[in-house]
Parts: sequence; structure tokens; C-alpha cells
Amino acid sequence: AQSVTQLDSQVPVFEEAPVELRCNYSSSVSVYLFWYVQYPNQGLQLLLKYLSGSTLVKGINGFEAEFNKSQTSFHLRKPSVHISDTAEYFCAVRRYNQGGKLIFGQGTELSVKP
Amino acid sequence: DGGITQSPKYLFRKEGQNVTLSCEQNLNHDAMYWYRQDPGQGLRLIYYSQIVNDFQKGDIAEGYSVSREKKESFPLTVTSAQKNPTAFYLCASSIDDGLRTDTQYFGPGTRLTVL
Repeated sequence: AQSVTQLDSQVPVFEEAPVELRCNYSSSVSVYLFWYVQYPNQGLQLLLKYLSGSTLVKGINGFEAEFNKSQTSFHLRKPSVHISDTAEYFCAVRRYNQGGKLIFGQGTELSVKP
Repeated sequence: DGGITQSPKYLFRKEGQNVTLSCEQNLNHDAMYWYRQDPGQGLRLIYYSQIVNDFQKGDIAEGYSVSREKKESFPLTVTSAQKNPTAFYLCASSIDDGLRTDTQYFGPGTRLTVL
């Protein structure tokens, strides 16, 4: 069975500080990897995705993530956060051969303080 | 504007009543999905449909039903058999181009509260 683990349920940071949100997955087959952001009482918006190729993926709003196959990780980073980045972030995986089904992590609540 | 709409945004229901949540998309996507979101548990797949008139159970289908009579619509019924229906429900869609690399796009969600 595949699973996704987001290692931190809450991450408080000060504005302009760097941040890393951690995501590990388990799967016996190749996967596609995604990060989504959810603002309060809204749907999810895609930040970035890894399908193949370069392991460093750049997304919207200055976020990037690095796929590490040996460590089965896909951590999300931003060098300098803003108050507006306060939201919940979800890591998700989809197995290479399993259609459109996404498996989500539990979410990480990023709280940016002034 | 292309996108996914869900209605209503907030829904209240009494115990023992069935309720139907609407999801409509004008993105011409083949695949549609329903997720349930609870605090601290991420999103869990309820049902999904890859083509009109066909759908499959997800991980937590018990107490829910769906239909897919039109490409653009995928309503979810929360039945009285669902033991703990209070949650945030999210609908999504994707192209499902067969290459399995497509992205899911999400609607704004419906918050269901059972009184």
C-alpha cells in the first residue's frame, strides 16, 4: 500500500524567513508527486508537480520542491515567506499505473507571523 | 471563465436525512472526483468517475452515492447511512488523457454540518 506522510502538522515561521515543509511517501512503483495549497474555506490550488525529468521543480508563488528518489521524499521550500503564504499545504502522490487516484498527506499548516 | 463550481457553500442537514451536493465543471474534463476533508486527516477519496455513466468507489464510499449522467456533472449524495457526515467536501476534475500525468483541479468545496 502506498502512503504519504507530512512530517509536521504545524509550522510557525516569521515573515521573510525560509521554510521547508517535509513530505515522505512509500510506494513500490514509480509515482507522480504534487503539492497543493489550501487557503481557509477554499478548495485546493496546485503549487507544483513532479512527473519526470529534473528533480528540482519550481512552482507558483516562489515555491520549489526537490524529488529525492533514494529518500522517497518531496520536500517543499521557499527562501523567504510572506504573511500571505499562511495556509494549509498538502503533499499528494499518484502511482504511475493507477489512473487518477491521488493519495494525500495529512496536511501541514503554515503560519507566517510578522 | 472555466472552472469547477460546487453548491451550496454551506449546508445544514438534520440527522436521518439524505442530502445531495452539486459539482459542475466546464473544463471538458473526463474524470471527476469527490473527496472528504476532516481536520488532521488530509483528503480521502469517496468516489471517482473516469467517463460518463461509470464510476468507482474510493477509500471511504460507505454511506455515499454518486451518478455521472453528464460529462460536466458529478453529484454526491450523502445518505443517512453515513455515520459521521459532518465534513468539508471537495470535488475535483482532470483531463484523464490516458498518460496518467494530468492534474486534478479542485472546486471551492461544500461544508456540510449535520445538526
